[in-house]
Amino acid sequence: DAGVTQSPTHLIKTRGQQVTLRCSPKSGHDTVSWYQQALGQGPQFIFQYYEEEERQRGNFPDRFSGHQFPNYSSELNVNALLLGDSALYLCASSLARDANQPQHFGDGTRLSIL
Amino acid sequence: QQQVKQSPQSLIVQKGGIPIINCAYENTAFDYFPWYQQFPGKGPALLIAIRPDVSEKKEGRFTISFNKSAKQFSLHIMDSQPGDSATYFCAASPVWGKLQFGAGTQVVVTP
Repeated sequence: DAGVTQSPTHLIKTRGQQVTLRCSPKSGHDTVSWYQQALGQGPQFIFQYYEEEERQRGNFPDRFSGHQFPNYSSELNVNALLLGDSALYLCASSLARDANQPQHFGDGTRLSIL
Repeated sequence: QQQVKQSPQSLIVQKGGIPIINCAYENTAFDYFPWYQQFPGKGPALLIAIRPDVSEKKEGRFTISFNKSAKQFSLHIMDSQPGDSATYFCAASPVWGKLQFGAGTQVVVTP
């Protein structure tokens, strides 16, 4: 039973560039959430996708955008990268019909901005 | 504004001791309270979760205590082992809502 997989594991970009991160949810899950985890802090919710639409959004600027594909996989795009975007980006999947949405996380993509 | 406050920031216990991590929240709409364990270089792993209609829940060596009137909940790690050394996060969400995480507690269990 494959868990949540994310790619790439590490990425180095420079300020102003854009980046795309990818996530495949746990088998059987249909909802994908993205989180940003700065060093030494708890994950911060970016947004959640279900049925290929953004269902909820946290307090992140429009530079952060996403997409969900018919196979439930998802992408996170960040434009005009800033130094402060350096963080671990986590993807979590869950099942929409479960109101308490136990979320299962991948190991993340470590993004470093130079 | 952090909606879930977690303490302590770090703690050290000897093997066999019982680390206790506390969390407090304000939003009465929160309906689901999970705890996650995170090792360096890994994503958070769901340990145990509780809903407000239950005051205590045990899974293996992990116990959640929940006090709805005080809006507080805590994690106890019974008979702690060096392999339990990790960062622990509490979290909370309303039904169908987004997870709000605490700042994390780094637990070190010495042999």
